[in-house]
Amino acid sequence: AQSVTQPDIHITVSEGASLELRCNYSYGATPYLFWYVQSPGQGLQLLLKYFSGDTLVQGIKGFEAEFKRSQSSFNLRKPSVHWSDAAEYFCAVGPRNTGGGNKLTFGTGTQLKVEL
Amino acid sequence: DAGVTQSPTHLIKTRGQQVTLRCSPKSGHDTVSWYQQALGQGPQFIFQYYEEEERQRGNFPDRFSGHQFPNYSSELNVNALLLGDSALYLCASSADRALTPSIFGPGTRLTVL
Repeated sequence: AQSVTQPDIHITVSEGASLELRCNYSYGATPYLFWYVQSPGQGLQLLLKYFSGDTLVQGIKGFEAEFKRSQSSFNLRKPSVHWSDAAEYFCAVGPRNTGGGNKLTFGTGTQLKVEL
Repeated sequence: DAGVTQSPTHLIKTRGQQVTLRCSPKSGHDTVSWYQQALGQGPQFIFQYYEEEERQRGNFPDRFSGHQFPNYSSELNVNALLLGDSALYLCASSADRALTPSIFGPGTRLTVL
């Protein structure tokens, strides 16, 4: 069965410091890969996606992620964190089929705290 | 573009009651998926509707049912509510014939007392 592991439940970084959030997946074949962000009491906002091609993908708010097939990983990075980045971050995978919006499997999330 | 909209925002029910949640997809999207997010957890896939039919289903009991209308909007119905059904219910839309990621609505917070 497919699964997504986000090993860090909580991460605290100082404003201006770099950030890396880890994501590993278990899937029958290379899936579509996503990172979403959720602010308290809100829905999910798409940060970036990987469908194919360049394994380093750029997203919104200065985030990027790198797909490493050999490690089944899709880690999220940001070179300089802003206080407004404090939120919960979810990695998700979905099957490759007709569209990119099918049955997503999510990790349990990483709660990011930013110290001023 | 209003994106994905959901109603109501919050809902309080008692055990055994039934509830209906509503979702309007983003303009141009024809596929609607529903997710349940319990407190402190990632969203769990409930089911997906396309062309007014349930196309995929996750590991949820038959108490969870849905409907999609010709205008692509959707409803999620939960019967015989349990305390464990308390969660944030998220609706996501996408376009089936295009490589589009799921876009999520703000969710409906359901509390079962």
